Amino acid sequence: AQSVTQPDIHITVSEGASLELRCNYSYGATPYLFWYVQSPGQGLQLLLKYFSGDTLVQGIKGFEAEFKRSQSSFNLRKPSVHWSDAAEYFCAVGPRGNTPLVFGKGTRLSVIA
Amino acid sequence: DAGVIQSPRHEVTEMGQEVTLRCKPISGHNSLFWYRQTMMRGLELLIYFNNNVPIDDSGMPEDRFSAKMPNASFSTLKIQPSEPRDSAVYFCASSTQGDTEAFFGQGTRLTVV
Repeated sequence: AQSVTQPDIHITVSEGASLELRCNYSYGATPYLFWYVQSPGQGLQLLLKYFSGDTLVQGIKGFEAEFKRSQSSFNLRKPSVHWSDAAEYFCAVGPRGNTPLVFGKGTRLSVIA
Repeated sequence: DAGVIQSPRHEVTEMGQEVTLRCKPISGHNSLFWYRQTMMRGLELLIYFNNNVPIDDSGMPEDRFSAKMPNASFSTLKIQPSEPRDSAVYFCASSTQGDTEAFFGQGTRLTVV
């Protein structure tokens, strides 16, 4: 069965510091992988996605993620965090086609001055 | 494009009342997903439709929940009768054939008192 694990429930970083959010997945075939961000009271917005090809993908707002098949991971990174990055981040996995994504429980990011 | 539109944004109702949540997917999208988000369980898939046909409703918690998609531009999620444990944020999302990225609405925050 498909599953996504985000080991960190809550992370606090200082503004300007680097960030890495962890995501591990379990999937029987080649996965399609996603990171979404949810600001308070808002819906989920896609940050980036991986379908195939280059394992380092760039997204919006300066985020990037690296797909590591050997580790079943798709960690999200940002070199310098801004206060506006404070939000909830969700990793998701899905198959090809019009089928639902499976989401992790999310990691809440707090940014301090 | 206006994106996925959900209404109402907030709903407060008394236990035992019927609640109807509405969703208008992005024009041209042929898949529609209903998710529920709670602190305890995260994002859970309730049901999804392809080409207006329900494909998997195994996530619908009880017979009190029902969903319909009478046409390509409208879907409803109904809870009858509602209970306090149904309090959550309900999201609708849509996607297109071959494009596994799902676009989310702003959600409906339901509070049952």
